Amino acid sequence: NAGVTQTPKFRVLKTGQSMTLLCAQDMNHEYMYWYRQDPGMGLRLIHYSVGEGTTAKGEVPDGYNVSRLKKQNFLLGLESAAPSQTSVYFCASSFKGWTYNSPLHFGNGTRLTVT
Amino acid sequence: GENVEQHPSTLSVQEGDSAVIKCTYSDSASNYFPWYKQELGKRPQLIIDIRSNVGEKKDQRIAVTLNKTAKHFSLHITETQPEDSAVYFCAASKGEYGNKLVFGAGTILRVKS
Repeated sequence: NAGVTQTPKFRVLKTGQSMTLLCAQDMNHEYMYWYRQDPGMGLRLIHYSVGEGTTAKGEVPDGYNVSRLKKQNFLLGLESAAPSQTSVYFCASSFKGWTYNSPLHFGNGTRLTVT
Repeated sequence: GENVEQHPSTLSVQEGDSAVIKCTYSDSASNYFPWYKQELGKRPQLIIDIRSNVGEKKDQRIAVTLNKTAKHFSLHITETQPEDSAVYFCAASKGEYGNKLVFGAGTILRVKS
């Protein structure tokens, strides 16, 4: 039982390049999320999904796209990377939504640097 | 929307002392308040959470208190140990579909031995 697995762990991009971050969970969770973590700003929600085939915008969705074609996978895409997207990205999943007895299970994070 | 403010941003305590981290929230309809701990270079993990129908919850050395009237909640860690050193995040939500969890900016706790 691996929990939530993110790939890659590190990535360096040049401005304008594109990339996809992959998140996989093996807990049969319905909900999946992408957060970014920046110093002094906590965890900010980028996009989330409440089930296979669904996606929704979070607090900071601009410049990102997501897809959830399979229940266990949630992909985060950057079409044209910008230096402002330099951050640590965390994927998370939960059994239900943001509620009691449904804690978020986070992956180990991806450190992305855009030069 | 919900706004969560967390204080202090950094906290240094001597091993064995207590540590208190405070958060305030803006939406009076919020009813779910979790705390996450993130050790250096690791993933955030839930350490304790509370619902609005409970004023206090305790789990060994950690406790959370909630004051709904004042819209603030606090994390209390007693008998701190070096392994308590981490970043702590509070969060709040209405606990229902579509009502997102909003995190505070985090508190860096350093326990000096």
